[in-house]
Amino acid sequence: LAKTTQPISMDSYEGQEVNITCSHNNIATNDYITWYQQFPSQGPRFIIQGYKTKVTNEVASLFIPADRKSSTLSLPRVSLSDTAVYYCLVGFNTDKLIFGTGTRLQVFP
Amino acid sequence: AAGVIQSPRHLIKEKRETATLKCYPIPRHDTVYWYQQGPGQDPQFLISFYEKMQSDKGSIPDRFSAQQFSDYHSELNMSSLELGDSALYFCASNRNLGGLVTDTQYFGPGTRLTVL
Repeated sequence: LAKTTQPISMDSYEGQEVNITCSHNNIATNDYITWYQQFPSQGPRFIIQGYKTKVTNEVASLFIPADRKSSTLSLPRVSLSDTAVYYCLVGFNTDKLIFGTGTRLQVFP
Repeated sequence: AAGVIQSPRHLIKEKRETATLKCYPIPRHDTVYWYQQGPGQDPQFLISFYEKMQSDKGSIPDRFSAQQFSDYHSELNMSSLELGDSALYFCASNRNLGGLVTDTQYFGPGTRLTVL
């Protein structure tokens, strides 16, 4: 499984766009990039998943450059309720989730 | 939509006691995963079951055992509890379409176990 590196924490204000970058230099050819969100004392929640280029859903966008050695989760116009820990996971031929150290996002009013 | 159900939500035990955590997956989901999250830690995979058979095993102590029943619910049995077992225990489920990371897992609300 590819090792991932994310910032430990980020701060933002309501209404701003937040971009969280994850490095995964040894990503394998078949690996997908998946992001989960976790609120305090709650189970992780799937946000978005992608393989290359750009993926967008109603919650976020995921940007993946051509070399796929990094990815960026983009949260548009964050609100206080987006305060959470965000995990970047990389893998394919496995269904167990290996969580690294996520990014603690704090949104201020 | 129905979600993963875990019971109990909170559990307090003494050292050396036993505990049983239950997980009821989303209907038609055939795979269950257990994760442990200690205070200030990231979730750690413990064990998973597919169609009532153990499919994968992570850092689960020998004192713990688990199984999946015919109705697909799962139970995590923990014996000789230690202070370090105090954690949030999450169950997740999905419908196995190949055992791949693309089979999105849906997590339950967790059981908070406190060992005194």
